[in-house]
Parts: sequence; C-alpha cells; structure tokens
Amino acid sequence: QVQLVQSGAEVQKPGASVRISCKASGYTFSAYYIHWVRQAPGQGLEWMGVINPSDGGTTYARKLRGRVTMTRDTSTTTVYMDLNSLRAEDTAVYYCGRVMGGNFFDYWGQGTLVTVSS
Amino acid sequence: DIQMTQAPSSVTASVGDRVIITCRASQGISRWIAWYQQKPGKAPNLLIYAASTLQSGVPSRFSGSGSGTEFTLTISSLQPEDFATYYCQQANNFPWTFGQGTKVEIK
Repeated sequence: QVQLVQSGAEVQKPGASVRISCKASGYTFSAYYIHWVRQAPGQGLEWMGVINPSDGGTTYARKLRGRVTMTRDTSTTTVYMDLNSLRAEDTAVYYCGRVMGGNFFDYWGQGTLVTVSS
Repeated sequence: DIQMTQAPSSVTASVGDRVIITCRASQGISRWIAWYQQKPGKAPNLLIYAASTLQSGVPSRFSGSGSGTEFTLTISSLQPEDFATYYCQQANNFPWTFGQGTKVEIK
C-alpha cells in the first residue's frame, strides 16, 4: 500500500535550519510528484513547493524562495525538505503529499511539527 | 496568485442535514479544484477532484460541482463522522492555493 512516512517533530531556534524527510513506499517513486504543504497552528493550508522525483526538478512558493530546498534520494525513495533562517512564523505542521495525475493530493504523510522558539 | 474564498467559514448543522460549502476563485480555473476533509491532528483527506469526481472510497453523500470560478461541495445527509474542516484547493496555476477552510460543527 502507498505510504509516506515523515520524520519526527523538531524544535529549533530562530535562525536555525530544519530538514524533514518523507519516505515513500508502495508505488513507483519516480512516477509521482511530491509536494510540501504546511499548516500553522489553528490555521489553513499553505503550499510550499514541489519536487519531481524523476529528475529532481523543483518549483517553490515565491515567499519561501531562497529559504527552502527540496531534494530526493532515489536509492532510498526519500524526499527531503530543508528550510533555513527559521522564524517564529515557520512554526507549523509540515506535510508531504503525493500528487496523482490531475494535480490533486491522493496520499499524505502523517505530518511533522516544527516549533521555532528561543 | 489565485485566491480561493470559501463560505461559510463555519456552519453548525445536525445529523441528516444537507450542507453546502462554496469556493470562489479569483480567476478562472476551469475544473482544476479539489475538496479535502481534515480532522484534528490528521492530514487532509481527498474527497472530490476535478470539481466533481468522487475519490475512490469516499461516500456518495459527498458531491462537487462547478467550473470556472464558482464551485460547491455538498454533503447530502450529514453523518457524525463528517464533522470536520473542509478545504478547497486550486491546481490550475502555481502557487497552488487553498481556501481558508469551513468548519462543520454539531448543532
């Protein structure tokens, strides 16, 4: 069965960086784009960007460009999301999601809480 | 960026009620819209995609309609497990954007 399993919760100080992993299984890794979406406490969903696991190509949200990097390791079928220069407003649950043909999320990771606090 | 405006932001309803949630896009998105249900502490769950296609395994009491800029999600007969927050999402252009959410609460 399709699974996306994310790494565990993180607590980071302002200015630090965080890396979240998303391990995919149960399907052909290179065949489906992986997106990242975050949700601040009590807030809605914010799209962060996308990576093509086949060639590593990425597109990022304008507001995060320069701070976010998405990479993949095809040998371990894992996607990574790095966010640097963390601020308090980056405190959120971060989700990876697989996108089916037609540009909609059919599977999600379980979410990773990142808390940015001094 | 395309703005997705959902209404209402919250609705209080009883089991068996019909609930309609609307989503308006700030520009035309054809039928590139999906609807998700999210329960506390969980990831969103896809209900409807391409405006009106029911995702596999989703009960038929959920339906979607619309095209262009106006879309609706209808729950024909609300069940106890449907109390949750619902989001629309456009996938016509990057950046993909979501509505602000509609919380469906128990009356």
